[in-house]
Amino acid sequence: DAMVIQNPRYQVTQFGKPVTLSCSQTLNHNVMYWYQQKSSQAPKLLFHYYDKDFNNEADTPDNFQSRRPNTSFCFLDIRSPGLGDAAMYLCATSRDRSTDTQYFGPGTRLTVL
Amino acid sequence: GENVEQHPSTLSVQEGDSAVIKCTYSDSASNYFPWYKQELGKGPQLIIDIRSNVGEKKDQRIAVTLNKTAKHFSLHITETQPEDSAVYFCAASRRYSTLTFGKGTMLLVSP
Repeated sequence: DAMVIQNPRYQVTQFGKPVTLSCSQTLNHNVMYWYQQKSSQAPKLLFHYYDKDFNNEADTPDNFQSRRPNTSFCFLDIRSPGLGDAAMYLCATSRDRSTDTQYFGPGTRLTVL
Repeated sequence: GENVEQHPSTLSVQEGDSAVIKCTYSDSASNYFPWYKQELGKGPQLIIDIRSNVGEKKDQRIAVTLNKTAKHFSLHITETQPEDSAVYFCAASRRYSTLTFGKGTMLLVSP
């Protein structure tokens, strides 16, 4: 049974056209993370929510925003996608922060034309 | 902040051989060390993890060792199979911080 679900799996958008990626979880975990992963690189943390508390990484561009309307769902909004934002976007969850196991979703592959 | 170095970047082995991937970390306060396997086009999947109060952990063909004094930890895969081919990431974290990943190792297991 899928525990971390991401939709869509593939997203194509145009340069500058806003896009929203979705993540949902059935684990009832407190923490939800968004990572960006470019080809042949490690996942790079963009931000995370600990319950409703939003934590942004210092080097995450303002172009990236997130919403968590409830425990189960979290959204990644890219306000004006550039060509450099083409990547795999991974959602992960954990019961608690830091030393708790993170469970990743399958990812959304974003293409920017 | 934490820095995690991972080696090698690519590892090719024959089916049935053992594979070893090594990571070093910089923050002596780090106390959680997971290993993830990522297949092409998929999200990372946790395969094994170890905490600082344990020196070794084993799960069937997979084992992880931790040397806190030297600040390094290793993944050992025995009797490798073609389906073990993937990218493997090590990571480290400490209390109240998020995971820091290594750059990954592409493991290729030839039949």
